[in-house]
Amino acid sequence: GENVEQHPSTLSVQEGDSAVIKCTYSDSASNYFPWYKQELGKRPQLIIDIRSNVGEKKDQRIAVTLNKTAKHFSLHITETQPEDSAVYFCAATTGDSGYALNFGKGTSLLVTP
Amino acid sequence: GAVVSQHPSWVICKSGTSVKIECRSLDFQATTMFWYRQFPKQSLMLMATSNEGSKATYEQGVEKDKFLINHASLTLSTLTVTSAHPEDSSFYICSATRDSFSTDTQYFGPGTRLTVL
Repeated sequence: GENVEQHPSTLSVQEGDSAVIKCTYSDSASNYFPWYKQELGKRPQLIIDIRSNVGEKKDQRIAVTLNKTAKHFSLHITETQPEDSAVYFCAATTGDSGYALNFGKGTSLLVTP
Repeated sequence: GAVVSQHPSWVICKSGTSVKIECRSLDFQATTMFWYRQFPKQSLMLMATSNEGSKATYEQGVEKDKFLINHASLTLSTLTVTSAHPEDSSFYICSATRDSFSTDTQYFGPGTRLTVL
């Protein structure tokens, strides 16, 4: 089945710096790659997503890039703020069902003032 | 739009009892709903995919007789944990999509924290 690897598991940056989280996937049939932010005890919140026919997408301070050939995609957060501190999960659709998601193990991001 | 609710938000039960968790899409029809389990400081693990009017598809390693899923309407799916044991204690989260025939955004419920004593 699909395997989604996510790195790093923890990331600490100073306020104003950029943060980058990387994920790789194994199933070439995967075609949808969302990123979720989860605060402690709360539901995952979609922050950005990208589909396989697009290489890059940006929404204010958040951007995602996708390299289908290499099977990896990355989340970029610029001008980080303390409220960006949370656990971030990448995900990829499973090739067999087309829309079920397999999640990476998560990255705990800490933004220090 | 695209709000998903879950009930209850938390539940404590005795070992051996059954617990039902409801997942509702409040402002859209959800042909497909998903059930995930999340242990502390771990990722979301897909348990099963639930389609309205048909049997759920369970992921490998998930016991279908223990985790009963019923998707009786386009706005409601239920997960029943039968004969619960302490190792079933976890955060159970559902999600829903609006279109089962193409990739679409999954909207997550707030989760249900189950503690089995």
